[in-house]
Amino acid sequence: NAGVTQTPKFQVLKTGQSMTLQCAQDMNHNSMYWYRQDPGMGLRLIYYSASEGTTDKGEVPNGYNVSRLNKREFSLRLESAAPSQTSVYFCASSYSTGTSGNTIYFGEGSWLTVV
Amino acid sequence: AQSVTQLDSQVPVFEEAPVELRCNYSSSVSVYLFWYVQYPNQGLQLLLKYTSAATLVKGINGFEAEFNKSQTSFHLRKPSVHISDTAEYFCAVSEGTDRGSTLGRLYFGRGTQLTVWP
Repeated sequence: NAGVTQTPKFQVLKTGQSMTLQCAQDMNHNSMYWYRQDPGMGLRLIYYSASEGTTDKGEVPNGYNVSRLNKREFSLRLESAAPSQTSVYFCASSYSTGTSGNTIYFGEGSWLTVV
Repeated sequence: AQSVTQLDSQVPVFEEAPVELRCNYSSSVSVYLFWYVQYPNQGLQLLLKYTSAATLVKGINGFEAEFNKSQTSFHLRKPSVHISDTAEYFCAVSEGTDRGSTLGRLYFGRGTQLTVWP
């Protein structure tokens, strides 16, 4: 059971470099999410995709772009990395965003350091 | 927007002692409540969720939580903890579909680090 798979698991970037975090789910879920986790801050939503072909901003979208490539894949791009984007990034998915009490399933996380 | 307050950032307990991790949320409208657990260097795993059925919800690993609408609380409890319960625990809330603009997105608390000592 792969569930939600993220790559890479670890990455070090220099300020100004760009990179893409990849995410894929094999649960036939409609909705996918990108969160970032910082110490003492819990998880904050960056972007989400309610269904294939749609994306929307979450709480902290600045400095990020996303692409819902198909139903399985949802990528997060940092165009010009900044030290403030040093964080742990989690991809997640759920059957839908509109269903009450819908469970969200998380990937293992991607540790990103920007120096 | 919803807000979730986890009242304790760290909870140290001894093995086999009972534990309660506290969570309060801001909304008085229909909500759905979740507890997730995160073990070191791993993603989040669902412990339990409340979706307007019984107010006492039982989850995995012997955890349970009680929904209290009047106090807007959803505290997590376990009668006897093990060292393996050491982890960070997150409370999260989503609004019901009668608040459709939020589309069921989750709002997370800042987390409670539970440390179980032998």
